[in-house]
Amino acid sequence: AQSVTQLDSHVSVSEGTPVLLRCNYSSSYSPSLFWYVQHPNKGLQLLLKYTSAATLVKGINGFEAEFKKSETSFHLTKPSAHMSDAAEYFCVVSDSTGFQKLVFGTGTRLLVSP
Amino acid sequence: ETGVTQTPRHLVMGMTNKKSLKCEQHLGHNAMYWYKQSAKKPLELMFVYSLEERVENNSVPSRFSPECPNSSHLFLHLHTLQPEDSALYLCASSQQHRGLGTYGYTFGSGTRLTVV
Repeated sequence: AQSVTQLDSHVSVSEGTPVLLRCNYSSSYSPSLFWYVQHPNKGLQLLLKYTSAATLVKGINGFEAEFKKSETSFHLTKPSAHMSDAAEYFCVVSDSTGFQKLVFGTGTRLLVSP
Repeated sequence: ETGVTQTPRHLVMGMTNKKSLKCEQHLGHNAMYWYKQSAKKPLELMFVYSLEERVENNSVPSRFSPECPNSSHLFLHLHTLQPEDSALYLCASSQQHRGLGTYGYTFGSGTRLTVV
């Protein structure tokens, strides 16, 4: 069975400082991995995805994630936080057999202070 | 709008009421999904439909009844719900290519359901 673990339930940063949201995954074969963002009272928006191409994946709004197989990690980073980045972030692993069933982590709430 | 529209955005219902959630996708996808998002829990997949046929039901109580009349519309019929069913219900759609995987997974904005 596949799973993801988001190591921090909350992360607080100051505007203009780097962001690091951590995610470790468990999968019996090469997974597809995603990061989604959810702003208050909104649905889920895809930030970026890894599907066995380049290990460094660039997403929207300046976010990046690096797939490290040896560490089974897929951490999300951004060089400089913006107030509008405050939201809930979900790391997701996909079951690629048959229908794409997304397995979600418990989420990390990013707080950005002025 | 993401291409997946859910109505209503908010719903308050009593435990004896019957209501329905609606989802419509404008992306030409052939698969649709219902997810439940409860506070402090991971998103839970409830149902999967492909080409209007239900292909997965993740042990969801019978008080939740899905319906997929065509590939663009998905409903979730609710009756005799419990307060613990209060949650954000998210619809998603995707294009599934047999043997090649699934693409374009897109979520709606959700319906915030409160059971009183």
